[in-house]
Amino acid sequence: KAGVTQTPRYLIKTRGQQVTLSCSPISGHRSVSWYQQTPGQGLQFLFEYFSETQRNKGNFPGRFSGRQFSNSRSEMNVSTLELGDSALYLCASSLEHGELAYEQYFGPGTRLTVT
Amino acid sequence: GQSLEQPSEVTAVEGAIVQINCTYQTSGFYGLSWYQQHDGGAPTFLSYNALDGLEETGRFSSFLSRSDSYGYLLLQELQMKDSASYFCAVRDGGFNKFYFGSGTKLNVKP
Repeated sequence: KAGVTQTPRYLIKTRGQQVTLSCSPISGHRSVSWYQQTPGQGLQFLFEYFSETQRNKGNFPGRFSGRQFSNSRSEMNVSTLELGDSALYLCASSLEHGELAYEQYFGPGTRLTVT
Repeated sequence: GQSLEQPSEVTAVEGAIVQINCTYQTSGFYGLSWYQQHDGGAPTFLSYNALDGLEETGRFSSFLSRSDSYGYLLLQELQMKDSASYFCAVRDGGFNKFYFGSGTKLNVKP
């Protein structure tokens, strides 16, 4: 089974621009979560989508948004980029139902640098 | 709010046993997960505890005490490849909302 894929892997943007990141979950996984990882901060939860609906949201400003398509692929968008948005953005997918629903499979991430 | 505390760095020698602790304060709790992340890599799932007690998976074991809001990851027979960062994460609610600790960098020395 193919793993979680994220595109692009690396991105350099300028302050004030916007960016869209893409995530394709493992086939059959319907839940997609997004995390921001910065040095020393661990992973911070952004939001989770299931069946094209945002079910959970972390404590990030409204500049961060996302969506999920009918094929479970997900995108996240950051508008009006700030220097502090430089981070590794990780996507994780998991099964919705069953005992293994807690196990999240992470993609390789998109390294975003804002200059 | 939510907070998870784990040591920032631990060093151990090859073949030894190391324990990485995690204490948490969350408004909701459904379980505690552990993930391993090598430099430049993606986090990979190690274990999940929803109930009190010890769960063993090969060289790795994870423990949870819900009454103490505490858990730990135990790594036995350390190998050089175990050098990585280890994150504990609390599952908040029945859906997939997880809060992660800042991670513990494990250095395994020969």
